[in-house]
Amino acid sequence: AQSVAQPEDQVNVAEGNPLTVKCTYSVSGNPYLFWYVQYPNRGLQFLLKYITGDNLVKGSYGFEAEFNKSQTSFHLKKPSALVSDSALYFCAVRDPYSSASKIIFGSGTRLSIRP
Amino acid sequence: AAGVIQSPRHLIKEKRETATLKCYPIPRHDTVYWYQQGPGQDPQFLISFYEKMQSDKGSIPDRFSAQQFSDYHSELNMSSLELGDSALYFCASSLRTGGNTGELFFGEGSRLTVL
Repeated sequence: AQSVAQPEDQVNVAEGNPLTVKCTYSVSGNPYLFWYVQYPNRGLQFLLKYITGDNLVKGSYGFEAEFNKSQTSFHLKKPSALVSDSALYFCAVRDPYSSASKIIFGSGTRLSIRP
Repeated sequence: AAGVIQSPRHLIKEKRETATLKCYPIPRHDTVYWYQQGPGQDPQFLISFYEKMQSDKGSIPDRFSAQQFSDYHSELNMSSLELGDSALYFCASSLRTGGNTGELFFGEGSRLTVL
């Protein structure tokens, strides 16, 4: 069964500094990986996905993520953090061999950007 | 662009009552998913429908049922409500045609409070 782990409950970064939110996954075969962001009392917004191809994926709001097959990781990154990036971030995985095609979410990482 | 529409946005019920949540997917999306997100929790998959047929089932209690109608909208019916059912319920939709690589698009959620 597929699973995804986010080892950090919270990440604190100063505005203007680079940020990294970590994610590791476990899935048979080649995974489909996603990052979503959730603002308070809002739905989940899609940021980016990795399906195949270039290991560095660029997404919304200047975010990017690097797929590393050997380390089974898909860390979310941004070169320069903004206060408005403060939110809850979820890594998610989809089993490509599952006809059900549901997405499984990690436990979430709260990103706090201080001015 | 049209998004996933959920109603009601907020719902307050007493224990042992019933509740119905509605979801209108993005036009032309053929797959609908229901997720439950408890306070401080990651979204948990409940159930999904593809072309009006149940395609996968997750941690949905027996007290809950759902269906997808001919116009592709879906309803989640919850009976004998318990305090623990208080949560944010998300609906998501995707286009399955062409494979399972696409991301899910989420609605803003329906917040259910059971008193």
